Amino acid sequence: ILLTQSPATLSLSPGGRATLSCGASQSVRSSYLAWYQQKPGLAPRLLIYDASSRATGIPDRFSGSGSETDFTLTINGLEPEDFAVYYCQQYGSSPLTFGGGTKVEIK
Amino acid sequence: QVQMVQSGTEVKRPGASVKVSCKTSGYTFTSYDINWVRQAPGQGLEWVGWMNPNSGSTGYAQKFQGRVRMTRSASIRTAYMELSSLGSDDTAVYYCARGPPSYLAVAAFDYWGQGTLVTVSS
Repeated sequence: ILLTQSPATLSLSPGGRATLSCGASQSVRSSYLAWYQQKPGLAPRLLIYDASSRATGIPDRFSGSGSETDFTLTINGLEPEDFAVYYCQQYGSSPLTFGGGTKVEIK
Repeated sequence: QVQMVQSGTEVKRPGASVKVSCKTSGYTFTSYDINWVRQAPGQGLEWVGWMNPNSGSTGYAQKFQGRVRMTRSASIRTAYMELSSLGSDDTAVYYCARGPPSYLAVAAFDYWGQGTLVTVSS
């Protein structure tokens, strides 16, 4: 399953709202879709699993939604530490696949 | 707390093999699959394959079939990924990642190692 993320780059100000999209080439089984955050030089960190469930310790300004082929990650009230690259991943079908990433940068 | 600590940086010649280790702690090693993911410089994430540390069962992405092997040593709670016939396009950071637990068929990756840089250069 090919995952396409848009936009490639999102330029926003602290306090703003980020809306990231992830489109799948075919339906993602049982909404087995995750979102990860990655900062330079670090491993990815799980934010959202099963399309809309927050991982342990993730603040509630992060929310996920969507089903089948269209998924969204929303970040409300961007904090300075939220500027990073975000990846979606489907884990319902093999091979597991990742999207190309969206970079959220400070405007 | 859950920790996954990987082995250090590797520099290999084209055609050689590399073996990366992932030492775990803070949870029952045999109760969660280990996945391997790689990231070429400046690029996105690419799934390499998975291993069940309890049974030793594995599954690999097609592009790595025939030159990747994932193994484990349960006594020291360590997983290994060996990649052979290295080419320059195998230069990447390789991550181990946990998930899913044995009672689930699938799950996202909730803990990751710090990554191991493998550089392939003549």
